[in-house]
Amino acid sequence: QSVLTQPPSVSGTPGQRVTISCSGSSSNIGSDTVHWYQQLPGTAPKVLMYKNNQRPSGVPDRFSGSKSGTSASLAISGLQSEDEADYYCVAWDDSLNGWVFGGGTKLTVV
Amino acid sequence: EVQLVESGGGSVQPGGSLRLSCVDSGFTFSSYSVNWVRQAPGKGLEWVSFISTSGRTMSYADPVKGRFTISRDNARNSLYLQMNSLRADDTAVYYCARDSGGAPMAYWGQGTVVTVSS
Repeated sequence: QSVLTQPPSVSGTPGQRVTISCSGSSSNIGSDTVHWYQQLPGTAPKVLMYKNNQRPSGVPDRFSGSKSGTSASLAISGLQSEDEADYYCVAWDDSLNGWVFGGGTKLTVV
Repeated sequence: EVQLVESGGGSVQPGGSLRLSCVDSGFTFSSYSVNWVRQAPGKGLEWVSFISTSGRTMSYADPVKGRFTISRDNARNSLYLQMNSLRADDTAVYYCARDSGGAPMAYWGQGTVVTVSS
């Protein structure tokens, strides 16, 4: 059972917009920023979004992030087949004194 | 370009030990915090341990506390994870992940596989 809760899977068609939610508590998302990672099949994770809504250079602006209270979400617009991957949210947890990951969401582009 | 390369993985019996290493090819390793993150077969990512730039502050996930020790050698641009009393549920790909100026765990290695089995 992960500290941060994500839906196990989401799906969409090319061009569509999808969102992935991440729910936490006052000791993690409620008191710190949220970061998102993308893991393509068979590869190491890559940072997709940091500090709630900051995109590293090279990440398309189709990806956006937001946070409100103890929840966060990642939105992907103009869905493309190359977006098929696992997505993870992460936040620092003050009670656990460590990083906590969501269980991951598998995005399928049908 | 930042490149992190892990090594030291392998197969070990329950109760055994392994020492993982991660070398950063860049020139600024000492300026950033580093983490170990693992991924069991078919499972999600799990944070294992964190170490600050100086090496004076460390933290561990509950499942590994008392068994794993993280350390770093900034002169060698290297990060280590000493893993003792290994259990079957420690079987995973272990990644080192280095912070950047803004993003935590911005750079990742390719991972090293640890298999604990009798």
